[in-house]
Amino acid sequence: DAMVIQNPRYQVTQFGKPVTLSCSQTLNHNVMYWYQQKSSQAPKLLFHYYDKDFNNEADTPDNFQSRRPNTSFCFLDIRSPGLGDAAMYLCATSRVPSGGEKLFFGSGTQLSVL
Amino acid sequence: ILNVEQSPQSLHVQEGDSTNFTCSFPSSNFYALHWYRWETAKSPEALFVMTLNGDEKKKGRISATLNTKEGYSYLYIKGSQPEDSATYLCAFISNYGGATNKLIFGTGTLLAVQP
Repeated sequence: DAMVIQNPRYQVTQFGKPVTLSCSQTLNHNVMYWYQQKSSQAPKLLFHYYDKDFNNEADTPDNFQSRRPNTSFCFLDIRSPGLGDAAMYLCATSRVPSGGEKLFFGSGTQLSVL
Repeated sequence: ILNVEQSPQSLHVQEGDSTNFTCSFPSSNFYALHWYRWETAKSPEALFVMTLNGDEKKKGRISATLNTKEGYSYLYIKGSQPEDSATYLCAFISNYGGATNKLIFGTGTLLAVQP
């Protein structure tokens, strides 16, 4: 059974049209992460939540926002998508914010921007 | 800037071949190294989390070694099977500045095993 679920699997949006990607988890983990992976590049951390505490990476564009209304759900909002935001977006969870424990990933949302 | 390099970028082998690939990372401020297997249309799945220099871990036909002094880890697959076809990602975690939760990924090694 999937433990980290991302919807939708594929998302197409128009240039400048806001889009929201969703992630849910059944693991009751405290930490949820959003990674962006562009074609042929390494997954890059955008931000993470530790419980309700939001931690933004310094180089994450302001265009990207996130919400975590409860333990189970986390959303990635892209306010005005540009062509350069087309990528695979991966959600992941961990029990604690320590690199000593493995991450559990969803299967990702592939975002296309037309 | 922390950089994680994986080689080769891609690898094609025949069923039954053994194979290995490399992850190189900064040798200073090491905290942990992760290996993930990512099959197409599925979720990346953790294979190993390694924290100690000289660590060797094994899961079935897959094993990994870690050298933190020189900054590399090897992943070995013995007797490759078609179901091993996937992208193998490594991720380095530094303890610089006290933050130990940020995984820096490599670009992965794409393995294709021909039956």
